[in-house]
Amino acid sequence: EPEVTQTPSHQVTQMGQEVILRCVPISNHLYFYWYRQILGQKVEFLVSFYNNEISEKSEIFDDQFSVERPDGSNFTLKIRSTKLEDSAMYFCASSEMGWEASTDTQYFGPGTRLTVL
Amino acid sequence: AQSVTQLDSQVPVFEEAPVELRCNYSSSVSVYLFWYVQYPNQGLQLLLKYLSGSTLVKGINGFEAEFNKSQTSFHLRKPSVHISDTAEYFCAVTLGTSGSRLTFGEGTQLTVNP
Repeated sequence: EPEVTQTPSHQVTQMGQEVILRCVPISNHLYFYWYRQILGQKVEFLVSFYNNEISEKSEIFDDQFSVERPDGSNFTLKIRSTKLEDSAMYFCASSEMGWEASTDTQYFGPGTRLTVL
Repeated sequence: AQSVTQLDSQVPVFEEAPVELRCNYSSSVSVYLFWYVQYPNQGLQLLLKYLSGSTLVKGINGFEAEFNKSQTSFHLRKPSVHISDTAEYFCAVTLGTSGSRLTFGEGTQLTVNP
């Protein structure tokens, strides 16, 4: 069964460093997402991406964050200058995007645990 | 803005007992409702979703949920749980009018004991 994959599974970085989290969505999916979960808190939406542009973003997704689909298979989240409060589990998701994206099932990857020291 | 509340952070039950995981939502517009499950070291997996029609929705692994519009609830139930159902369960919504972002509840850790 097709699945969303994410690399690395765990990333440790120093405060102020740039990190890139990578995701390979399911191959025929058209809509891509990033969510994060700070330890002990809710899973929070960061951004959605469709047709090579951001479709929607949350208040969390400020100028230090960016997303890119550099080729036909990868979807990346870049954090330019990491802060301690960026430590979290980051989940990538994708959906097929049928007639209405809000009804589509989103398929999640296993997550990347980012630790900022 | 919409919000989701899962009333129980932890639910311990014995194997073969019934279980109900509670979820309430608030929204000024219509929503679509989802339950996801997360097993250790895995991503979130869809259990079931309510879009429209019958208010009782059946999902995978014997789970079902009932949409109650008047009580703004979407509780998840299973009549007889197994050890393998031990996992974290998340209730989530998307807005029916626009946008596909999922808004999640806090999650409920279900622990099934022998």
